[in-house]
Amino acid sequence: DIVMTQAPLSVSVTPGESASISCRSSKSLLHSNGNTYVNWYLQKPGKSPQFLIYRMSNLASGVPDRFSGSGSETDFTLKISKVETEDVGVYYCGHGLEYPYTFGAGTKLELK
Amino acid sequence: EVKLVESGGGLLKPGGSLKLSCVASGFTFSNYWMHWVRQAPGKGLEWIGEIEYDGTETNYAPSIKDRFTISRDNAKNTLYLQMSSVRSEDTATYFCTTEGEGGSFAYWGQGTLVTVSS
Repeated sequence: DIVMTQAPLSVSVTPGESASISCRSSKSLLHSNGNTYVNWYLQKPGKSPQFLIYRMSNLASGVPDRFSGSGSETDFTLKISKVETEDVGVYYCGHGLEYPYTFGAGTKLELK
Repeated sequence: EVKLVESGGGLLKPGGSLKLSCVASGFTFSNYWMHWVRQAPGKGLEWIGEIEYDGTETNYAPSIKDRFTISRDNAKNTLYLQMSSVRSEDTATYFCTTEGEGGSFAYWGQGTLVTVSS
């Protein structure tokens, strides 16, 4: 199975500042079709996960452009610029390359 | 508006069986692969398995293979998860999700809690 490792486990950010969350995969997520199959989700407190980014850098519908994704074949970054109070929660990376699909352990974003 | 509503969760004993349902609305259900993802209390997300548009193909995580079965009824816009031979480690909130681009999970239900305890 592909192991997804996130860092840090938690991050504390002042509203209006930016935050970055890292995710590393144990195997390249670059498909032969040129797409990189890493996705990002946010689970707000007490809620279901919500979809943020697909194929490393594409924003899901309705996601503010304060969110951005980048990376290489095995190292990925979710950046949130100008963090807002509604961004609080646990962020998960996950891959969609092969079975079984797996997720990182999550990074908790809190406000200072 | 896309809506996914899970039901059927509850308390059951180890070795028991339970069938979860997920009723979909707001989109053409038969056009989408559907997935189940679970989350143990206070833990992260775990993919359980998926089912193709018409139900002819399914794929499962090794942790539940041969114990859980995913099915669907497109006429009823409903996804199912039949759980059998359950163990304490199956205790979790179970979410149904639609497949999005790139093996992602685009829309999520509110989840249904399954507790396995003697």
